[in-house]
This record gives sequence, C-alpha cells and structure tokens, in this order.
Amino acid sequence: AQSVSQHNHHVILSEAASLELGCNYSYGGTVNLFWYVQYPGQHLQLLLKYFSGDPLVKGIKGFEAEFIKSKFSFNLRKPSVQWSDTAEYFCAVNRVGGSTLGRLYFGRGTQLTVWP
Amino acid sequence: DSGVTQTPKHLITATGQRVTLRCSPRSGDLSVYWYQQSLDQGLQFLIQYYNGEERAKGNILERFSAQQFPDLHSELNLSSLELGDSALYFCASSGGANVLTFGAGSRLTVL
Repeated sequence: AQSVSQHNHHVILSEAASLELGCNYSYGGTVNLFWYVQYPGQHLQLLLKYFSGDPLVKGIKGFEAEFIKSKFSFNLRKPSVQWSDTAEYFCAVNRVGGSTLGRLYFGRGTQLTVWP
Repeated sequence: DSGVTQTPKHLITATGQRVTLRCSPRSGDLSVYWYQQSLDQGLQFLIQYYNGEERAKGNILERFSAQQFPDLHSELNLSSLELGDSALYFCASSGGANVLTFGAGSRLTVL
C-alpha cells in the first residue's frame, strides 16, 4: 500500500534558522508530490508541487523542495524561517494514472513552531 | 477563502445520531474529495466523486455515505455516530490537474 512518512513530528526553531522537513514515500511508480501547510484554525493550502522536470521546485513564501527519485524523498526546505511559518506541514503523494487518479496520500504531518 | 465552501463549520451531536456535511466545490471543478482528519489517524481519504459519479473509495465506514449532485455540490452523511467519529472532515475539489483545493473543514464532535 502507498505510504508517506514524515519523520519529524514536531520541530521547534528560532526565527532566521534554516528548516528542512523530511518526507519519504513508498510507491515505486511515477508520482506527483505536494507539500501542504495548515495554519492554526485554517484549511490546508498548497505550498508547492512537483509533477515532472526540474527536481528542485520553488513554492510560495520562500519554500522549496527537492525530489530525489533514488531516495523516494521530497524534503521541504526554507533558508530562514519566520514566526509566521508556525503551522503544520503535510507531505502528500499521488500516483500518476490508475484508479487512484487524484487521490492524495498524506503523511502524518510535522508541526513547526518558530519562536520569535 | 479557497473557493471550496463547507458547512457547517462546527457540529456537536450525540452518539447514535446522524449528520450531513455539505461541500460546494470551486467553480468549474468537477471532482470532490472527502478526507477525515483525526489525531490518531491523521488525514485519511474517504471518497472521491467526479461529475456526479463515485470515482474512488478509501477508508470510509459503511455507516458513512456520500453523493455528488448535478450542481456538483456534495454531501457526506454520517450515521449511527460513535465517539470515535469526532474529527475534522475536509472537502477538497480539483479541476483535473491533480491539485486539490481544500475547504475550511467541518469539525464534528460526538458526545
């Protein structure tokens, strides 16, 4: 079965620190990859996505992620976090083609707390 | 505002009862997805509809059912509610590009 692993349950950083959140998935075929963010009390919002092409993708608010196919990974990075980045971050994967078209498999989420 | 509208935002009910959650997708989106978010299970895919037809089923209990109407809005019906059904229920829609846009969610509390 498809699974998505986010290794960090809770990350605490000071402002201006660099961030890297890990994400690994288990499906061996072609995938689309996503990072969503959920600010306190709000809905999930798309941060960035990878479909094909350059494995380094840039998203909103200075976030980027790198797809490493050989490692089945799609780690999220930001060089300098801000207090307003405090939120829960979800990695998600869907398989290209097949009956699960469009269905997203989510990781358990990583809660990021940034201290001012 | 994501363009996906969910009602009600909050719902408190008792065990054994039945509730209906409603979702209006973004204008032009034909696909609607329902997800359940709970502390112990995380975000779980429940069911997907495309233009009125069921497209995929996930971890949806038999006590739960859903449908998508001709105007593309969708309803998730939860019956014989149990304490463990307390969760945040998200609806999402997509227009075919495999990018889901989520609503604000309906928080269900079963007492």
